[in-house]
Amino acid sequence: QITLTESGPTLLKPTQTLTLTCSVSGFSLNTSGLGVGWIRQPPGKALEWLALIYWDDDERYSPSLKNRLSITKDTSRNQVVLTLTNMDPLDTAIYYCARRKSSGIYYNWFDPWGQGTLVTVSS
Amino acid sequence: DIQMTQSPSSLSASVGDRVTITCRTSQNIRNYLNWYQQKPGKAPQLLIYAASTLQSEVPPRFSGNGSGTDFALTISSLQPEDFATYCCQQSYSRPYTFGQGTKLEIK
Repeated sequence: QITLTESGPTLLKPTQTLTLTCSVSGFSLNTSGLGVGWIRQPPGKALEWLALIYWDDDERYSPSLKNRLSITKDTSRNQVVLTLTNMDPLDTAIYYCARRKSSGIYYNWFDPWGQGTLVTVSS
Repeated sequence: DIQMTQSPSSLSASVGDRVTITCRTSQNIRNYLNWYQQKPGKAPQLLIYAASTLQSEVPPRFSGNGSGTDFALTISSLQPEDFATYCCQQSYSRPYTFGQGTKLEIK
């Protein structure tokens, strides 16, 4: 069974840095073609893709947040870590990690997803 | 960025109804389109990828079609467990973008 579990702080103050960990089981972060992505959902709003790290350590970021984001993986611990700097109340959202699977170059999807973790930014 | 527009934003229907949700993209994405179902307090679950390929264990009452800029998700006969929010996502180019969601409610 493949599972992903997010963990990290639930409350941050503006300007602080968010560090979230995605712990995975049931697959290896080194498996060719696989990746792990982070997606967030502000209250009542659409899902927003943030970042993705591939099996070969290639990293991809949303251009709108690229300057604030960092994604890394620790294969030995089966974890993917997302860092988002300079948090703002507008960053309040449920943050999900999800396995990215692909078939060919363009066919790719997120499945499964973790249960998500709500991060609130407030002074 | 590729913009995703879903319609309707909400929909009331009854058990047994056939419903269709549409997703329009701001540029041609061929068939690189995924559909997810999300229930309150739960993570999104993949229903369909590549516009029309059903994810394993997804009931066959779900179907998807479309290519280019216009796509549709159809549920042929609504079941009680289908009342949820549905959203589309393009995988053609980064940044990957999602539709705003269609909330399917019980009439």
